[in-house]
Amino acid sequence: GNSVTQMEGPVTLSEEAFLTINCTYTATGYPSLFWYVQYPGEGLQLLLKATKADDKGSNKGFEATYRKETTSFHLEKGSVQVSDSAVYFCALSPRGYQKVTFGIGTKLQVIP
Amino acid sequence: EAQVTQNPRYLITVTGKKLTVTCSQNMNHEYMSWYRQDPGLGLRQIYYSMNVEVTDKGDVPEGYKVSRKEKRNFPLILESPSPNQTSLYFCASSLQETSGYTFGSGTRLTVV
Repeated sequence: GNSVTQMEGPVTLSEEAFLTINCTYTATGYPSLFWYVQYPGEGLQLLLKATKADDKGSNKGFEATYRKETTSFHLEKGSVQVSDSAVYFCALSPRGYQKVTFGIGTKLQVIP
Repeated sequence: EAQVTQNPRYLITVTGKKLTVTCSQNMNHEYMSWYRQDPGLGLRQIYYSMNVEVTDKGDVPEGYKVSRKEKRNFPLILESPSPNQTSLYFCASSLQETSGYTFGSGTRLTVV
């Protein structure tokens, strides 16, 4: 079956540091890939997405590139802020919309 | 405002007492889904629906029921709740498989 692997964290960074959260996946075919963010006490929000190989999704300074050869969709941001502290989920959606699979979530803490 | 509305936000109940968590979306989305979120386990899909009267099991359907009689509503029913169903529940909807989900704010359920 499909699966998504990401580190649970927490990842602790100082403000203005570079962020990478790794995400690798296992799926047949060509799924769509997503990053979601969950702030404390809230539901998940779609952060960015990519629907085919080599697509780059971007939003709010975050970026991720769909790499089919390495089955990866790593999340990056050049300079994190305290307000980026949240839990980040990687997810995949297969073609034909079967079960959407989420990773375990990575908690990010940014300290001033 | 485009949104997914879940009710209630918080619920404490006793073992065996039937309950329903409601979910409604105002975006005319085809797809709806229920997830539960547990520490260390991430999000796990309970049930999903691709259209009215079309539902299917996710990864953890045992002990849950759903129905999709109208496009906008997708209630989650626990016929006989047990303490292992204590969790944070999210309803989500999407237009199509490449769109990504819009999530509700969550329902924190405690079964004693």
